[in-house]
Amino acid sequence: DTEVTQTPKHLVMGMTNKKSLKCEQHMGHRAMYWYKQKAKKPPELMFVYSYEKLSINESVPSRFSPECPNSSLLNLHLHALQPEDSALYLCASSQGQSPYGYTFGSGTRLTVV
Amino acid sequence: AQTVTQSQPEMSVQEAETVTLSCTYDTSESDYYLFWYKQPPSRQMILVIRQEAYKQQNATENRFSVNFQKAAKSFSLKISDSQLGDAAMYFCAYRGSGGSNYKLTFGKGTLLTVNP
Repeated sequence: DTEVTQTPKHLVMGMTNKKSLKCEQHMGHRAMYWYKQKAKKPPELMFVYSYEKLSINESVPSRFSPECPNSSLLNLHLHALQPEDSALYLCASSQGQSPYGYTFGSGTRLTVV
Repeated sequence: AQTVTQSQPEMSVQEAETVTLSCTYDTSESDYYLFWYKQPPSRQMILVIRQEAYKQQNATENRFSVNFQKAAKSFSLKISDSQLGDAAMYFCAYRGSGGSNYKLTFGKGTLLTVNP
């Protein structure tokens, strides 16, 4: 299995809703990432988990809450989002400090109404 | 902080022709990794090619090759025999080998159109 799987592919939520994005990989990668991408812009790093511990938080608002329950799974819990949070949310994984780059999932397209 | 610059917001190429996408970067590190990612309309970021800074030989992957000029901090991507499926947004990315080596720094991207 050489994929990163993200669910759901599309999500529409209200500003008072609570929802979660899920990311799964079975490549044995020990680093996992959440990126946010606006249209026609590069991805922006949000969080990095290394060996299931949060190692980087790029000053992301607390309405985004990451969780890494085990080495294969990464969640992003969403609460009280704003319309400007509408974006493509990409999950990625890598072999820790490997030079081989990341493997990305196909993303969750989030719309906040 | 490292920065990556892609000076061509958009490029176009005729099918079967060759196109070169530019990328420059700024870093004080001596050891690092450079990548080109492709993002088609399907949204998934796909790794096209990578280069280790300590290697002088330019990386190649089938129709894709790079021109890595370490002193000039330049890392261009050449696509030969362009195909319709090459149409996508291309991002150049940098990754250090030091304490912050988990982070990929992306350029702003170049949108490549392939004309039949």
